[in-house]
Amino acid sequence: EADIYQTPRYLVIGTGKKITLECSQTMGHDKMYWYQQDPGMELHLIHYSYGVNSTEKGDLSSESTVSRIRTEHFPLTLESARPSHTSQYLCASSPRFPRAGANVLTFGAGSRLTVL
Amino acid sequence: DQQVKQNSPSLSVQEGRISILNCDYTNSMFDYFLWYKKYPAEGPTFLISISSIKDKNEDGRFTVFLNKSAKHLSLHIVPSQPGDSAVYFCAASVSYGGSQGNLIFGKGTKLSVKP
Repeated sequence: EADIYQTPRYLVIGTGKKITLECSQTMGHDKMYWYQQDPGMELHLIHYSYGVNSTEKGDLSSESTVSRIRTEHFPLTLESARPSHTSQYLCASSPRFPRAGANVLTFGAGSRLTVL
Repeated sequence: DQQVKQNSPSLSVQEGRISILNCDYTNSMFDYFLWYKKYPAEGPTFLISISSIKDKNEDGRFTVFLNKSAKHLSLHIVPSQPGDSAVYFCAASVSYGGSQGNLIFGKGTKLSVKP
């Protein structure tokens, strides 16, 4: 079944650690995204990619970095985690050419990061 | 400044009645609007969308209305069911230009449908 997977679902780590949040999709989508969401707040776009070797920064400035070496894989890395990075990170993907006009994103279940 | 606004953080409705969730936007360049539903500990799932050239789109119990002059859209759920209890996000996008298709989200409205 085509889907989008995020690991880990939950992560608690100490300040200064390096972390990588994994995101993989089996739908063959060209576009992939990372959104950050705090409770009761909107989803903020922090990174997106149009395809392999393409990465762009989103509307919200983030200290994280991303890479897109394979179509299906879009990992997010924090070199040195801080308590301010505590949040939920949502990965999403969409096809290059929307079927009916709207760019419908398919989301993963999210990774909830807590930095102590 | 928020481009997509959902001013009601929560809404409580009786089962079987209509739920109306509202959304306002400020950017007149938006040409697509989407609604997503999110359960706790899950990612948002797509519900319904509408193009700016339409004023209504219907899919089963869900109908979205768009009033371009007021920069306002609403999602109607009829009849409401307890399983509809979730957070509903309004999102908008511009389908052309440098950030084509990237969705901008509101803060969400938590809907509770009581049996």
